[in-house]
Amino acid sequence: AQRVTQPEKLLSVFKGAPVELKCNYSYSGSPELFWYVQYSRQRLQLLLRHISRESIKGFTADLNKGETSFHLKKPFAQEEDSAMYYCASSGKLIFGQGTTLQVKP
Amino acid sequence: KAGVTQTPRYLIKTRGQQVTLSCSPISGHRSVSWYQQTPGQGLQFLFEYFSETQRNKGNFPGRFSGRQFSNSRSEMNVSTLELGDSALYLCASTLSRGRRAEAFFGQGTRLTVV
Repeated sequence: AQRVTQPEKLLSVFKGAPVELKCNYSYSGSPELFWYVQYSRQRLQLLLRHISRESIKGFTADLNKGETSFHLKKPFAQEEDSAMYYCASSGKLIFGQGTTLQVKP
Repeated sequence: KAGVTQTPRYLIKTRGQQVTLSCSPISGHRSVSWYQQTPGQGLQFLFEYFSETQRNKGNFPGRFSGRQFSNSRSEMNVSTLELGDSALYLCASTLSRGRRAEAFFGQGTRLTVV
């Protein structure tokens, strides 16, 4: 069955520290994976997708098929990164439970 | 270009009642998906509509139903409301059903069941 798991509900770091938001997936076939972000009082929006292999707002994510993971990383967290982050896979667009990232000053 | 519009923004209903939520996708988008967002469960997939047909369905009871009209607007209906149905209901539209399609979300309808 298609499933996305984000093991951490809350990740709290200090400004300037590295960030890694974990995501594991199960999908039969070749998955398409995404990270979506929801800032306070804003709509859920696409952050990045694995097919683009791009860096958005300093975030990158690499698909590791061996470990079935798609972790989101940023070397130096900023306060404006504080938000809820969702990992998602397509087929039907399925989301993980979400991780709240809190960046402290 | 107008974004995804959901109406109403807020609803308060009593247990046992039914409710209908509406979603207008971005112009030209033909696929609409619905999600239930709660603090404990995150975003749970309800169903997806494309060309007026339900294409995928999540693990929700039959009290949850939906439909899509020829102009791609979609409605979601919940009958015999329960307290546990209180949640933010999000609608997302995509241009097509392609797996790489970016989903655009509405601001949601906050349903409170009392």
